Amino acid sequence: GAVVSQHPSRVICKSGTSVKIECRSLDFQATTMFWYRQFPKQSLMLMATSNEGSKATYEQGVEKDKFLINHASLTLSTLTVTSAHPEDSSFYICSARDTGAYEQYFGPGTRLTVT
Amino acid sequence: AQSVSQHNHHVILSEAASLELGCNYSYGGTVNLFWYVQYPGQHLQLLLKYFSGDPLVKGIKGFEAEFIKSKFSFNLRKPSVQWSDTAEYFCAVTRPSGGATNKLIFGTGTLLAVQP
Repeated sequence: GAVVSQHPSRVICKSGTSVKIECRSLDFQATTMFWYRQFPKQSLMLMATSNEGSKATYEQGVEKDKFLINHASLTLSTLTVTSAHPEDSSFYICSARDTGAYEQYFGPGTRLTVT
Repeated sequence: AQSVSQHNHHVILSEAASLELGCNYSYGGTVNLFWYVQYPGQHLQLLLKYFSGDPLVKGIKGFEAEFIKSKFSFNLRKPSVQWSDTAEYFCAVTRPSGGATNKLIFGTGTLLAVQP
């Protein structure tokens, strides 16, 4: 149980285009989902907390107009990287927390490369 | 601000050697503590967690961790590592505030390489 999927697993896009990444909790309902960014050989950096039915809460320094987050249902959150630039190239990971629990379950990540 | 420190960035061991990875956190109040593992090409998986009670926590795959409140530490241990333990290990902390935004604060990770 407690499986989280992400789609796509890998995406290459051109500078200036937008990319949408999906995060789904497959066998549980997630009131809260989290989006992280992981740089090579570094830790996970929390970007934002996504709450179903409300606006996401962004961490300091994360541009909310650039990284659009939508959490329309209890099993799906999306992250859209708008007007992507090469510096946005990274590994994006989502996690989902089962309603009422502290534990987070992580997705496999999405490798974004902006050319 | 709350932070998590992992002192060992890269550890190389031979099979059957004992492992101890350090983790210290800065927050002085009540915390929940986690160790996650990321095997090559795979997603983060929970190894073990501490919320309350016995400070010696047993996890999966023979791992354990000890919470020492006075030292703000939660070190990960395994008596005898295997080649399959080669992975990156992350310590993480969250505060059990009960709110919807319990954020995990991750350490920088320790890359463990076990040589056969």
